[in-house]
Amino acid sequence: QSALTQPASVSGSPGQSITISCTGTSSDVGGYNYVSWYQQHPGKAPKLMIYDVSKRPSGVSNRFSGSKSGNTASLTISGLQAEDEADYYCCSYAGSSTWVFGGGTKLTVL
Amino acid sequence: QVQLVESGGGVVQPGGSLRLSCAASGFTFSSYGMHWVRQAPGKGLEWVAFIRYDGSNKYYADSVKGRFTISRDNSKNTLYLQMNSLRAEDSAVYYCAKDGCGGDCYLDYWGQGTLVTVSS
Repeated sequence: QSALTQPASVSGSPGQSITISCTGTSSDVGGYNYVSWYQQHPGKAPKLMIYDVSKRPSGVSNRFSGSKSGNTASLTISGLQAEDEADYYCCSYAGSSTWVFGGGTKLTVL
Repeated sequence: QVQLVESGGGVVQPGGSLRLSCAASGFTFSSYGMHWVRQAPGKGLEWVAFIRYDGSNKYYADSVKGRFTISRDNSKNTLYLQMNSLRAEDSAVYYCAKDGCGGDCYLDYWGQGTLVTVSS
């Protein structure tokens, strides 16, 4: 149950696109199409942004997209906006009804 | 609308016990699995435990196995986490979260969390 690997921080200017990676193993990210991404603003609860690798819940902007290749999943945010500044966490199903999160990435909008 | 409200957090001495509760509303509680996830101060999210919709099966992170017990009362729409033999490293905000699909998939709705501090 080792944490998934995410970059500690990423940054971008308004209007730009950024991508956050999430690297696991064949026992989690690579083994299942159950990768999800969560946005967390300071002092707030996490909010689901992407599920099942690339699906967006109702109400989440289409500026958010997800993908996966092998053991690495990615979250892309296009047309960056100030309100996107937050922490982002990936999560993967890891088999036997267990889950594992990434260490989190702090997104700064310059 | 889905609402999850945690309670029961507080300050407890090392080796002590605490029981957290999560009151659910806005969905058919008895149809969905439920999770506990924690976040130590300034740190990332850590999955803690999962219970199936009917309470038939329970699963735990290695870090809490044998010390924590997840349970639910579907008649009261409430999820619980019994935490025993608490350690300093268990200090965190504890969130309950709803399973998104009725099975092993993703966590869709989260509560606001309750803070547990283990300190002498």
